[in-house]
Amino acid sequence: GIQVEQSPPDLILQEGANSTLRCNFSDSVNNLQWFHQNPWGQLINLFYIPSGTKQNGRLSATTVATERYSLLYISSSQTTDSGVYFCGTREGGTSYGKLTFGQGTILTVHP
Amino acid sequence: NAGVMQNPRHLVRRRGQEARLRCSPMKGHSHVYWYRQLPEEGLKFMVYLQKENIIDESGMPKERFSAEFPKEGPSILRIQQVVRGDSAAYFCASSPSPEKLFFGSGTQLSVL
Repeated sequence: GIQVEQSPPDLILQEGANSTLRCNFSDSVNNLQWFHQNPWGQLINLFYIPSGTKQNGRLSATTVATERYSLLYISSSQTTDSGVYFCGTREGGTSYGKLTFGQGTILTVHP
Repeated sequence: NAGVMQNPRHLVRRRGQEARLRCSPMKGHSHVYWYRQLPEEGLKFMVYLQKENIIDESGMPKERFSAEFPKEGPSILRIQQVVRGDSAAYFCASSPSPEKLFFGSGTQLSVL
């Protein structure tokens, strides 16, 4: 099955700093999603981005499918950005099948 | 449109008892996924269901675990004869299309 690796595993920032989270995957994919798990455990879908670039406020994401990676950018970080960020992907050629997730990046933003 | 609803939020069971976790997908969503998250770990796929059908159960332990998604009513994840190693957060997600996945708030299972 597809392998998904995220880096860095942990990231500590001061409020206002920018950061880049990376997601590498081992095979061609047709689905790439980024999620934020807040400190209360809730998982929020941030982006569906199988290719290209999308932006939503202070967050943006880029996926380069041919090179098998995706990046999540967080600008002007806030304490509410703290939590765990997961990327999940589905193997190319499958439509509704399972998403395979990376181990996550734990982000801590200090005031 | 209410989100994906899971209940209970917290479930405590003694070893050997049965645990039943419920998931009501968002309205119009016919695809349901169950994931398990152990402390300090990522999300591990368990099973993918559509109405009345199990599509992929490759992540389900061979024994004690079962899942269903009946024509009427919520999806149920059932764990028989629970052991301490079953303690985890269990998340349900639903999807209306191949694109986005929407997660519920999870059920935290604690086995004493």
